[in-house]
Amino acid sequence: DIQLTQSPSSLSASVGDRVAITCRASRNIDRYLNWYQQTPGKAPKLLIFATSNLRSGVPSRFRGSGSGTDFTLTISPLQPEDSATYYCQQSYNDPPLTFGGGTKVEI
Amino acid sequence: DVQLVESGGGLVKAGGSLRLSCAASGFTFNSYSMNWVRQPPGKGLEWVSSLSHDSTYSFYADSVRGRFAISRDNAKNLLFLEINNLRVEDTAVYYCVRDPGYCDTSDCYEVFDFWGQGTQVSVSS
Repeated sequence: DIQLTQSPSSLSASVGDRVAITCRASRNIDRYLNWYQQTPGKAPKLLIFATSNLRSGVPSRFRGSGSGTDFTLTISPLQPEDSATYYCQQSYNDPPLTFGGGTKVEI
Repeated sequence: DVQLVESGGGLVKAGGSLRLSCAASGFTFNSYSMNWVRQPPGKGLEWVSSLSHDSTYSFYADSVRGRFAISRDNAKNLLFLEINNLRVEDTAVYYCVRDPGYCDTSDCYEVFDFWGQGTQVSVSS
């Protein structure tokens, strides 16, 4: 199975900052990488799919990049409503579809 | 609007069974692959199972294979997850998730674009 390792596991930043969350795959997953945002008590929401495609309605301050084994979700400028846990997910080698362990962003 | 509404969760003893349901509306249900994803309390997300639009293909995580069974009724816009021989470690919120199967010029990608609100499954020893 392909493992996804996210870093950091948590971070604290201020409104207006630029933050970067990385997701490293245990082997090449090409561009088969999605990002989700989850706020407490709510279901996850899709932000970015196929590495860099912004889902319709998602603010342009969210940006995804990378390929192969290393991927990044960048949020800039950070807004108060971005306080959440972010998960990466791969679909290159399925099944199983796997998720990263999550990154909690506090503002 | 797309809606996915799960039901059927509850508190059961280890070894017991449950049948989760997901009622879909607001889209052409029989055109989409569907999935179940779970989240244990305070932990991350775990994909559980997926089913193709016409029920031809089904897949399971190793942790549930042989105990869980995914199915759908396209005439009633319903997705199911039959859970047998429950274990304490199956305790989680179970989400019903749609996969539109995004394709660009060269590849197709599985994407979880809409999620239900989840149903809680709690297993006691």
